[in-house]
Amino acid sequence: DAGITQSPRHKVTETGTPVTLRCHQTENHRYMYWYRQDPGHGLRLIHYSYGVKDTDKGEVSDGYSVSRSKTEDFLLTLESATSSQTSVYFCAIRDRGLGSEQFFGPGTRLTVL
Amino acid sequence: GDSVTQMEGPVTLSEEAFLTINCTYTATGYPSLFWYVQYPGEGLQLLLKATKADDKGSNKGFEATYRKETTSFHLEKGSVQVSDSAVYFCALSVTTGGGNKLTFGTGTQLKVEL
Repeated sequence: DAGITQSPRHKVTETGTPVTLRCHQTENHRYMYWYRQDPGHGLRLIHYSYGVKDTDKGEVSDGYSVSRSKTEDFLLTLESATSSQTSVYFCAIRDRGLGSEQFFGPGTRLTVL
Repeated sequence: GDSVTQMEGPVTLSEEAFLTINCTYTATGYPSLFWYVQYPGEGLQLLLKATKADDKGSNKGFEATYRKETTSFHLEKGSVQVSDSAVYFCALSVTTGGGNKLTFGTGTQLKVEL
């Protein structure tokens, strides 16, 4: 298994509260990604990082921010959680190389009440 | 933009039946193609991949061939087992300046019964 952990694995929070999800890797891979998984949508990219302090938006970035201050950690923050952000969040990592695959973490199930 | 279309599920089969899950794609460049599998309560695992036209990816009895002329990457297995029950995702990635981003299909749930 690729060395990816996510924390917390489950979280229930209330609308309007800030939430931070953490992705930690031990592979020293350059690229890291945050996705959300919702029924009928598959996985959709929220943000990604191509190096320390280098991040960019994905297709569903509104309401989310990210930070990467060191290679091994990629944080996803919901500044003010809404019910529409109830989802399962997956982190992924990728090494360099054309066609190289992404390896996924175990996921975080977030419920916003 | 890039997109992936895969057949709706759930697909229900008897053990030892033949499996096909259709996947077609639209991409502006020359994508790499992937099949991922997700078992209940787990993250996604790479099942197989192909990086150029006519390549065949294979793993654990599953196969898929990169067909550029039909923009397809259909997943097949000759004899499914109950343990193959999972959700299968087709995905593509195209090289971009900031890194290869995956575009996923909506997933196809497979149920295999005895």
